[in-house]
Amino acid sequence: KAGVTQTPRYLIKTRGQQVTLSCSPISGHRSVSWYQQTPGQGLQFLFEYFSETQRNKGNFPGRFSGRQFSNSRSEMNVSTLELGDSALYLCASSPLRGRVYEQYFGPGTRLTVT
Amino acid sequence: AQRVTQPEKLLSVFKGAPVELKCNYSYSGSPELFWYVQYSRQRLQLLLRHISRESIKGFTADLNKGETSFHLKKPFAQEEDSAMYYCALRGGADGLTFGKGTHLIIQP
Repeated sequence: KAGVTQTPRYLIKTRGQQVTLSCSPISGHRSVSWYQQTPGQGLQFLFEYFSETQRNKGNFPGRFSGRQFSNSRSEMNVSTLELGDSALYLCASSPLRGRVYEQYFGPGTRLTVT
Repeated sequence: AQRVTQPEKLLSVFKGAPVELKCNYSYSGSPELFWYVQYSRQRLQLLLRHISRESIKGFTADLNKGETSFHLKKPFAQEEDSAMYYCALRGGADGLTFGKGTHLIIQP
């Protein structure tokens, strides 16, 4: 089975721009969660999608949003980028909602905001 | 609010020595606790969870509700254990809350 894939792997954006990151889950997995990883704050939960609906949301501003498509692929969007948004964004998929112990992580997208 | 604390950013031990990575948590209910590991140039992956009470790669972790701890232990460290280790908590239906991680280095 192919693992979780994330595109692009690296991205450089300018403050004020917006960005869209993509995550393709493992085939058959219907839940996708997103995490932000920074040196200062560590790994932080962004949101979880299941059956095209956001089920959980972490403590992030509204500039961070996401969606899930009928094939379970997910995108996250960050609008009006700030320098502090520079981070590694990880997505993880699991077969069902809330099954974190069956979660598989992708390689991440490294976003640099200048 | 839920919180996970890993007091050691870096832990260096010699091969064959015992290893203990500390994790303390704060949560008012009954949490699910996990240990994740990230080897160099590899993806983050689940190592073990408290519910399963199993030993993975020689590692064990016991949930101590009185001390609100979930320390990861291994009696004899091996060089291939060198990695970043993250303790994580899931309270209710929320997403995972991670600690800042401990970089474990096993010296030959």
